[in-house]
Amino acid sequence: QKEVEQDPGPLSVPEGAIVSLNCTYSNSAFQYFMWYRQYSRKGPELLMYTYSSGNKEDGRFTAQVDKSSKYISLFIRDSQPSDSATYLCAIGGSNYKLTFGKGTLLTVNP
Amino acid sequence: DTAVSQTPKYLVTQMGNDKSIKCEQNLGHDTMYWYKQDSKKFLKIMFSYNNKELIINETVPNRFSPKSPDKAHLNLHINSLELGDSAVYFCASSNSGTGSSGNTIYFGEGSWLTVV
Repeated sequence: QKEVEQDPGPLSVPEGAIVSLNCTYSNSAFQYFMWYRQYSRKGPELLMYTYSSGNKEDGRFTAQVDKSSKYISLFIRDSQPSDSATYLCAIGGSNYKLTFGKGTLLTVNP
Repeated sequence: DTAVSQTPKYLVTQMGNDKSIKCEQNLGHDTMYWYKQDSKKFLKIMFSYNNKELIINETVPNRFSPKSPDKAHLNLHINSLELGDSAVYFCASSNSGTGSSGNTIYFGEGSWLTVV
């Protein structure tokens, strides 16, 4: 079983839709849960960070972690064309190493 | 103000050549990384240095040699380039200290390497 599995894309939604992006992980020692957004030909940029189970909200973005199920999600409300990018989940422990999911390409159509 | 900067951004070179990619961060972080992103967008760690000491060395051909002259710089030298080395190489940095941000990693813009 891979350490981090991310729902494969691509995902295409109309503007204003609610988007749900998901990852599962296998190692219960993981402590940090992050979502990165990567625009075409750019580096990944940190979008959300959390280290506990529950929800964390930042504007239109909500990160959700369920440690008991080893499941993390990113919700985007009122999606915009500017949200079109690849979204990568990343999970880390105490050893400086982040393990990334394979990414989900999201396209928001105007 | 570029936080993590790497050069060159694009590099096209022939098989068998030796090339280097340089990286600098001005975030005051003590840990730096090299990640490789393949054509399928899969991002995988190659190396990590903490205060100039190598702490992560994944299974990477020994043609790849990282060098960290100080904690703000981490360079990647690649010998005898092969077609399969074509990828995007990302430099990144983080702080090893504990705190609410954990080991949040900040990435550079990437170096697109094409071996022909």
